[in-house]
Amino acid sequence: AQSVTQLGSHVSVSEGALVLLRCNYSSSVPPYLFWYVQYPNQGLQLLLKYTTGATLVKGINGFEAEFKKSETSFHLTKPSAHMSDAAEYFCAVSEEGSSNTGKLIFGQGTTLQVKP
Amino acid sequence: ETGVTQSPTHLIKTRGQQVTLRCSSQSGHNTVSWYQQALGQGPQFIFQYYREEENGRGNFPPRFSGLQFPNYSSELNVNALELDDSALYLCASSLGGTAGQFFGPGTRLTVL
Repeated sequence: AQSVTQLGSHVSVSEGALVLLRCNYSSSVPPYLFWYVQYPNQGLQLLLKYTTGATLVKGINGFEAEFKKSETSFHLTKPSAHMSDAAEYFCAVSEEGSSNTGKLIFGQGTTLQVKP
Repeated sequence: ETGVTQSPTHLIKTRGQQVTLRCSSQSGHNTVSWYQQALGQGPQFIFQYYREEENGRGNFPPRFSGLQFPNYSSELNVNALELDDSALYLCASSLGGTAGQFFGPGTRLTVL
């Protein structure tokens, strides 16, 4: 069965510092992996996705993530945090292309706080 | 291009009542998925509709049902509301495949 674990429910960084949000997954077939961001009282916005090919994926707002099969990880990074990055971040896995419907399985989320 | 829209934005119901939530998919998207997000949790998959047919269901009881219309818009119906049904209900549309799912702003349901 698929599952997603986000290590750290709350991460706090200073403005300009490196952002690292951790995500580990389990999947019985090659996964599709996603990071979404959710601002207060809003829906989810897709930051980036990994399907096949290059394991380093670049997304919007300067975020990127690297798929590491050997570590079953898909950590999200940004070199320099901005105040506007403060939000809830969700990692998700999908098994599209298998017998699965392509539904997304989400982690519990990580709240990113950015201090001035 | 219009994104995913949902209505209403907020809704308050009492236990035992029934509710219908609506979703208009992004232009050209033929697949709609519904998720329930309880406070402080990640979204949980309810079900997915593809070309008006249910195409997978999560671990939700039958009192959660849905429809998809020929224009690919969708409804989520919940009967016999329970207090634990209080949550943000998210609709996401996609073309399937590897395109990813695009979410609407959600409907906040409160059951008293």
